[in-house]
This record gives sequence, C-alpha cells and structure tokens, in this order.
Amino acid sequence: DTAVSQTPKYLVTQMGNDKSIKCEQNLGHDTMYWYKQDSKKFLKIMFSYNNKELIINETVPNRFSPKSPDKAHLNLHINSLELGDSAVYFCASSPGGGAGETQYFGPGTRLLVL
Amino acid sequence: AQRVTQPEKLLSVFKGAPVELKCNYSYSGSPELFWYVQYSRQRLQLLLRHISRESIKGFTADLNKGETSFHLKKPFAQEEDSAMYYCPPGGSGGSNYKLTFGKGTLLTVNP
Repeated sequence: DTAVSQTPKYLVTQMGNDKSIKCEQNLGHDTMYWYKQDSKKFLKIMFSYNNKELIINETVPNRFSPKSPDKAHLNLHINSLELGDSAVYFCASSPGGGAGETQYFGPGTRLLVL
Repeated sequence: AQRVTQPEKLLSVFKGAPVELKCNYSYSGSPELFWYVQYSRQRLQLLLRHISRESIKGFTADLNKGETSFHLKKPFAQEEDSAMYYCPPGGSGGSNYKLTFGKGTLLTVNP
C-alpha cells in the first residue's frame, strides 16, 4: 500500500549510458514532482507535472526528460549520464499542486554514475 | 520571490537538551511554511505546517511575522530526532506552486 513508489531503488551505471527511473502514486493526486538531492543533502526541484502537463521545469539539462503517461505516473529519463548526475532522486506528489498542500515523497532512487 | 534561510547546516545537541532549528524567510504575500524531516536513508515526510499550529513528536513551530521566522523547537531532544530538517516556503498558489527545499539542517542528538 505504498503511496509513492519509485523503481529502481539503486542504480549504478557507466558514464554515457541512458537510464530511466519510474515513479507511481496511488493517492489519486493530480500533481507529481521530481527532486534531486546531492551529496550535501541540497534538495532541489527539477520538474512538476499537473494532470500530465508540465508545469515547472527548473534549469535542468535537456538530457533529463520527464514523461507522464497518466497522472499516476511520472518517469524520468536521463540521456548520456555524467558523473555529476550522481545523486538521490526523489519523486513526490500532492493533491492539486496548490500552496499549502503537503507533498508525499517516494523512497528515493540512489543513482551512481561511474 | 520566496526565499528561506536555514543558517545552521549542522546542529548537535545532547539528549534531553532543548533544540531549536532556525528558519528565516523573505516573502511577498502570505507565507505557507512547512517543516519536513528526513531520517537516515528514508523518504522526506511532512513534520508540521504553520497553518496547523500543532505539535508533532514534541516539535512546535511558530510563525513570527515580525522576525520573519519559523523556527522549529523541542524542549527535550531525543536520539531518534537525529535527521535532516528542511524548512521550505511554499509559493503563492496557482499551478506553478513549488516548494523550495534548499540545504536543510542536519540535527544530531548525542546520547
């Protein structure tokens, strides 16, 4: 009954590879997010989608491409992985994306690029 | 634009001591403020929201508009309180609302 789930939990890959991280929420929320947490625990938003529509796109390299097949899923595809992409990636969701709403986070995906 | 500052990157206290994690904000409009907590290798979770005015796990946070602060306090820290704490300010609503988390404060409660 996990509310927000992510796969895989761990991802170790070589530079230059392409990889995807999947996220699913069963809360019926309209809005989903991707965050990146670096080694210093700095947590920064990357993208948000509301009902499959891209709402927020922070200054993220275009190697990162989110895809939302439906409002319960938000996947993150990363092309040509670089060493600096190593981080923990968190998916989150909130009911409508409005101010004051609680965001519910997934367990995170630890990406290590070698 | 909303901005939050958590001036302490690291905070270390002994078990049973009072703890205060600082959060200062600059905000245009009415702030929506939160404290989120991340225990070791776990997901982030909401600790409390200023509009709820509740106490969770012994923690409280009062919005001080005069000082533009939303400090998190607990009178007697416990070892299980050791975690990363984030104080993100919310946006002003609308579909482009986002939480800005930043660097957070790592709290260590020593035995």
